[in-house]
This record gives sequence, structure tokens and C-alpha cells, in this order.
Amino acid sequence: EPEVTQTPSHQVTQMGQEVILRCVPISNHLYFYWYRQILGQKVEFLVSFYNNEISEKSEIFDDQFSVERPDGSNFTLKIRSTKLEDSAMYFCASIPNRGLGGANVLTFGAGSRLTVL
Amino acid sequence: QKEVEQDPGPLSVPEGAIVSLNCTYSNSAFQYFMWYRQYSRKGPELLMYTYSSGNKEDGRFTAQVDKSSKYISLFIRDSQPSDSATYLCAMGSSYKLIFGSGTRLLVRP
Repeated sequence: EPEVTQTPSHQVTQMGQEVILRCVPISNHLYFYWYRQILGQKVEFLVSFYNNEISEKSEIFDDQFSVERPDGSNFTLKIRSTKLEDSAMYFCASIPNRGLGGANVLTFGAGSRLTVL
Repeated sequence: QKEVEQDPGPLSVPEGAIVSLNCTYSNSAFQYFMWYRQYSRKGPELLMYTYSSGNKEDGRFTAQVDKSSKYISLFIRDSQPSDSATYLCAMGSSYKLIFGSGTRLLVRP
């Protein structure tokens, strides 16, 4: 069964360092997402991406964050200068299209755990 | 009022029990509703989704949506220890999903 692949599975970084989290969405999918989950808290939307541009972003997704699809397969989330509160699981997700009524039946990756010290 | 509310549990039941998990929501614009299962340190895995009020059944799982009450449920019949996980409701109307906080379920052998 096709799956969304994320790397690294776990990254430890020092506060202020740049981090890039990588995702390989399912090959025929067109819409890509990043969500995050701080330990013990709910899954939160960060950003959606379609046709090489951001479709929507949350208030969490400030200027420290950026997304990119550098080639036909990878989808990356960059955090320019990490803060302690960026420590979380970051999940990539994708869908083939927006389907009936715009439904987002997301397929999630296993996540990248980011620990900022 | 939070957009999506879900009792965090934990909910502990004996094997074979019927489990009922619930979420309420406040945004009447939500059009589609999902249930995800999440094992510890893993990504959410889609269980059920529906676009309309009513029931949808898939094996031991039944999803129920009541848009008039802004209330959704997931029922698990004949629960198994392998069903032990956190269950997340999620709903939306555009590019993003809003998740509940998740209910932790433990099915005791």
C-alpha cells in the first residue's frame, strides 16, 4: 500500500539552528500538508500546499517556517531558527485531489520527532 | 468554545465490549468528518470518513454524524486489545482539518 515517507524519524537540534524535515508524498497525490503535534496535545494544522504554492496556513506558520517542493517527489518543511516550543512531532500528509465537496481524506506519514534543546 | 471537543479519556473496557467515542463541534460549516487511530509515536491512520449526517459502517466500526446537534460518534463492536490506541476525530470544510484532542482507549484482555 502506498505510503507517505518522512525523514528523519527523530532530530535533536540546538535552539536557533535551522532544521529541514523531509517528506515523500504518495506519487500521484497533488495536495500536501504539514501538521504538528506537541507531546500530549492535539494535532494542529500548519500549512497546505498545491501547485507549488501555499494554499492556506495557520497562525502557527510564521516567518520562521517555509515549505518547498524542490523536485517532483520531495516536500520539505524548514524551520529557520528553532525555538524550544518547536519541539513536537511533525506530520506530513497528502491527498490525490480534493474529492467530493473538497474532502481532505489525508494519508499521514509516521512523523518526524523534533527535539529542540 | 473550542471548535472541536473530545473527551481525552482514558477509556478502559474489557475485550468484547462495545466502545462509544464522541466529539462535538461548533462550526456549522464543517462538511466532512473523519476518525483517525493513532498508536504511540506513530502518525494518524484513517479509520472512517463521511460527508453527511447518518451512519456509515465498516466491519466492526460505525461512524455516526448528527449535523443538527453538531455531534459525531464512532462505535467499535467486539473490541479487541489491538484496538487500544488514541482515537482522533477530525473535521473540516476547506484545505485543513481540525482535530479533536483524542480519546485514549484501552481494551483489557
